[in-house]
Amino acid sequence: SQQGEEDPQALSIQEGENATMNCSYKTSINNLQWYRQNSGRGLVHLILIRSNEREKHSGRLRVTLDTSKKSSSLLITASRAADTASYFCAITQGGSEKLVFGKGMKLTVNP
Amino acid sequence: EAQVTQNPRYLITVTGKKLTVTCSQNMNHEYMSWYRQDPGLGLRQIYYSMNVEVTDKGDVPEGYKVSRKEKRNFPLILESPSPNQTSLYFCASSLGSVNEQFFGPGTRLTVL
Repeated sequence: SQQGEEDPQALSIQEGENATMNCSYKTSINNLQWYRQNSGRGLVHLILIRSNEREKHSGRLRVTLDTSKKSSSLLITASRAADTASYFCAITQGGSEKLVFGKGMKLTVNP
Repeated sequence: EAQVTQNPRYLITVTGKKLTVTCSQNMNHEYMSWYRQDPGLGLRQIYYSMNVEVTDKGDVPEGYKVSRKEKRNFPLILESPSPNQTSLYFCASSLGSVNEQFFGPGTRLTVL
């Protein structure tokens, strides 16, 4: 399976700090998506970036995509305790209808 | 309200006893899929469906069956559950695999 790999696997920061998470993958992609999961609940879509895009913003979220390095990063600015969750990247590969998720990374934002 | 529903939310069963987990969406989505989530392994796709009567295997299809007779429903069937199928299962729907996925609340299955 060509799943994305999030890095770091866990991150603990203070409220107000920025959090950066990285995702690396191995194949060509159609797009890359980021999701958030709060403690055993369903995943919630955060942002989608297409293979021909380099950067997208949504509120406090900023996603970049570098297809030459096969990597993406998710930046959460001015973090809040409510951002504490697990974050997953997911990729769709060229020519496939499968959506492949990474193993996830856990972000803890301390008040 | 746009949503994906799953039932049951929690299930404890015994090895070999056939079970079905239902999934329904009210967004007229064509793409539906099932995932299992296990500690340290992330989400792994079991099966997906691109439309009615069109299903295909994901990364971990062994021991599972699905059907897509109606657009809104995508049940997951375990004909003979085994303890290694103890997991947290999620159903999701979307316009397509390249689109935002809407997830159900999850079904926690324990097979004894």
